[in-house]
Amino acid sequence: DVKVTQSSRYLVKRTGEKVFLECVQDMDHENMFWYRQDPGLGLRLIYFSYDVKMKEKGDIPEGYSVSREKKERFSLILESASTNQTSMYLCASGGAGASGSYEQYFGPGTRLTVT
Amino acid sequence: GQSLEQPSEVTAVEGAIVQINCTYQTSGFYGLSWYQQHDGGAPTFLSYNALDGLEETGRFSSFLSRSDSYGYLLLQELQMKDSASYFCAGGRTGGFKTIFGAGTRLFVKA
Repeated sequence: DVKVTQSSRYLVKRTGEKVFLECVQDMDHENMFWYRQDPGLGLRLIYFSYDVKMKEKGDIPEGYSVSREKKERFSLILESASTNQTSMYLCASGGAGASGSYEQYFGPGTRLTVT
Repeated sequence: GQSLEQPSEVTAVEGAIVQINCTYQTSGFYGLSWYQQHDGGAPTFLSYNALDGLEETGRFSSFLSRSDSYGYLLLQELQMKDSASYFCAGGRTGGFKTIFGAGTRLFVKA
């Protein structure tokens, strides 16, 4: 079974702090994704990566950056956290090619609260 | 713009059949995926339709009509454990970006 893990289930940070969210997958997947999930809005893509050191912006990249130094690890960085970044953050991975986007495996999520 | 529309809530009785619709407003979508998410859990992949027609996986079936920009998820022999949110998701041509609908909350009553 694919296993995607995220570094924290719950995180509370103060406005202006730098926040790191870590995601690790154990299936040697090429594609990795970061989403945020808010009530009534579904999942919105922040960034994705299709290979080590490669990244592309999703639909809502503002205020976020990512890092993928190793194939199994994809990090989401909030350079200066703001209250409107309070959300559930979900990491996902998928295999190579198009199938990696239509069949994704999700981690348990990190509930981030910025105060 | 690119969006997928699905009903916000559906209620059905245990043992019944329920259909969750998804319509999309875009060109350039290839295929439609469905995910299930229980409260407090991660979304889990259910099915994918690359071509028009019906795909069946046990009690769940998914349908796609690309000419109508429409798909649905059909759940048969509903069980209480099927109470969850269901998301349709479209893959966009030319890349790996996936766009999700806002989700349909399914309530299964005894």
